[in-house]
Order: sequence, then structure tokens, then C-alpha cells
Amino acid sequence: AQSVTQPDIHITVSEGASLELRCNYSYGATPYLFWYVQSPGQGLQLLLKYFSGDTLVQGIKGFEAEFKRSQSSFNLRKPSVHWSDAAEYFCAVGASNTGKLIFGQGTTLQVKP
Amino acid sequence: GAVVSQHPSRVICKSGTSVKIECRSLDFQATTMFWYRQFPKQSLMLMATSNEGSKATYEQGVEKDKFLINHASLTLSTLTVTSAHPEDSSFYICSATGQANYGYTFGSGTRLTVV
Repeated sequence: AQSVTQPDIHITVSEGASLELRCNYSYGATPYLFWYVQSPGQGLQLLLKYFSGDTLVQGIKGFEAEFKRSQSSFNLRKPSVHWSDAAEYFCAVGASNTGKLIFGQGTTLQVKP
Repeated sequence: GAVVSQHPSRVICKSGTSVKIECRSLDFQATTMFWYRQFPKQSLMLMATSNEGSKATYEQGVEKDKFLINHASLTLSTLTVTSAHPEDSSFYICSATGQANYGYTFGSGTRLTVV
């Protein structure tokens, strides 16, 4: 069965520090992978996505993610975090046969001044 | 870029009444729309998948008579919460995808409070 695991429920980093949010997936075929960000009471904004090709994906707001098939991972990174990055981050895998998105549990990012 | 409009953003209703939430794709044709429910501090739970002109496909455990989904056109899907109860209070989010690419656009969500 398809599943997504985000091992870190809550992460706190200092402003200006680097960030890595972990995501592991379980999917039988080549996955379509996504990272979304959600501010309180808002919908989801797409940060980046991976379908195929270059395994290092660049997204908006300075985020990037690397697809590692051998590790079944799609970790999100940012070299220098800004206070405005504080939000909830969701990793998701898309099922190519149904089009459904399966979401991880989410990681809450807190940014210290 | 692709835009999905979801209305209302907030709604308060009395227990026993019905509430309709609209999800519109503004600049693309949404062949498939998805409805999610999100509890506080939790992830999104897929409720149902709707394809234009077809009956919605509900996930296991979701009451189809409680959550009526209609996808009558390529730009509009509606979710009606019938005979709402306080336990139906939640954040509901729709997303839409078209044929052009394999991408999803999310609405801004609807906060439903049943009193």
C-alpha cells in the first residue's frame, strides 16, 4: 500500500540556519512526489514536485528536494530559513493509476529569531 | 497559473442543517476534483474523488449520504454536508487536476463549524 512518513512532527530552527525536512514513501511504481506548505487556516501551496528526470528539484521560496530512490526518500531542504517559513509542511505521493495524493502526517516548522 | 477558488472560507451552521461548499477551477478544466478533510494539527484525509459527469468515489469510512459530492461541470464541484452535526466541524479542502499536466491545485479551504 502507498504511504508517506514524515518522521519529524515538529522542528525548530534558528532564522538563517539550514533546514532539512525528511520524507519517506512507500510506493510500488515510480512515484510522483510533492511538497506542500500550509499556513494556519489556509489551503496548500505547492513548493515543488518530482515526476522524473533530474533527482534534485528546485522549488519556490528557495526550497529544493532530492529524490533518492534507493532510500525511498524525498527530503526538503533550504540553506537559510526565514521567519516567514514557519508553517506546516506536507510531503505527498501521487498514485499514477488513481491520481490520488497520499499525504504524510506533516511537519510543523518553528523559526526562532 | 492554475487557480482554484473555494467558497465559503468560513461557515457556521446549526445542527441538523445542510451546508454546501463550492470548488471552482478558474482558468483550467478540472477533470478530477478531490475533497479532503483536515482535523486540527493533523494531515489531510481524502474523502472522495469526483470526475466530471460521474458519481464520486468515496474513501472507505466516508458516508456518501452525509457528504454529497457533485461534479456537474469541468470547472465546478460541490460538497454538501447534509444534516450537519458538531462532529462534522472541520476544515474541508478541495483540489483539482486537469488533463494538461499531472499537477494539483488546492483551494484555500473552508472552516465549517456546526453549533
